[in-house]
Amino acid sequence: EAGVAQSPRYKIIEKRQSVAFWCNPISGHATLYWYQQILGQGPKLLIQFQNNGVVDDSQLPKDRFSAERLKGVDSTLKIQPAKLEDSAVYLCASSPGTSGSGEQFFGPGTRLTVL
Amino acid sequence: LAKTTQPISMDSYEGQEVNITCSHNNIATNDYITWYQQFPSQGPRFIIQGYKTKVTNEVASLFIPADRKSSTLSLPRVSLSDTAVYYCLVGDSLGGGATNKLIFGTGTLLAVQP
Repeated sequence: EAGVAQSPRYKIIEKRQSVAFWCNPISGHATLYWYQQILGQGPKLLIQFQNNGVVDDSQLPKDRFSAERLKGVDSTLKIQPAKLEDSAVYLCASSPGTSGSGEQFFGPGTRLTVL
Repeated sequence: LAKTTQPISMDSYEGQEVNITCSHNNIATNDYITWYQQFPSQGPRFIIQGYKTKVTNEVASLFIPADRKSSTLSLPRVSLSDTAVYYCLVGDSLGGGATNKLIFGTGTLLAVQP
């Protein structure tokens, strides 16, 4: 079974530029998550989708971050404009169920460096 | 809002049993407790999940007392390849409520030595 795919793996941009990340979850997984992991910290949930609807985006900085999950499959996360503090690894994860439990399967992440 | 607390680091030797404890005093009724392992430059990997009492799988055991305010991940006979960061996650993956957020702990860096 193919895992969660993310691209690009690395991205370097200057502050105030825009950037987009792409995630392809495991086929059939209803729930998709985007996390931000700053060096030395645990992942922080940015947004959670269930199919193509948003379940939780309370920690998403909506003035600069946006995310969508078209047709309940692939998802993109965008930052516009980027700030220095956005330098982090952006992790995408998916899980098969919609119940209160369940393993999350993580992708390799996209490492963003903002100069 | 469930928040977790773990030791920042632990040291062990190959072949020993390692127990990592996570405190989650404000755990909600619907919350599950999940542990993940993360190696450098990789995404976290699921280890084990439980709601109460004890859960065991082929790689670890999870002990949860009756009050559910803490949990202990037990790794039997660790090897060098178990050197990683271990995260305790408390939450209801459904989200959708003010208290049901998925929050990773600070993580515990386990260093296994020969």
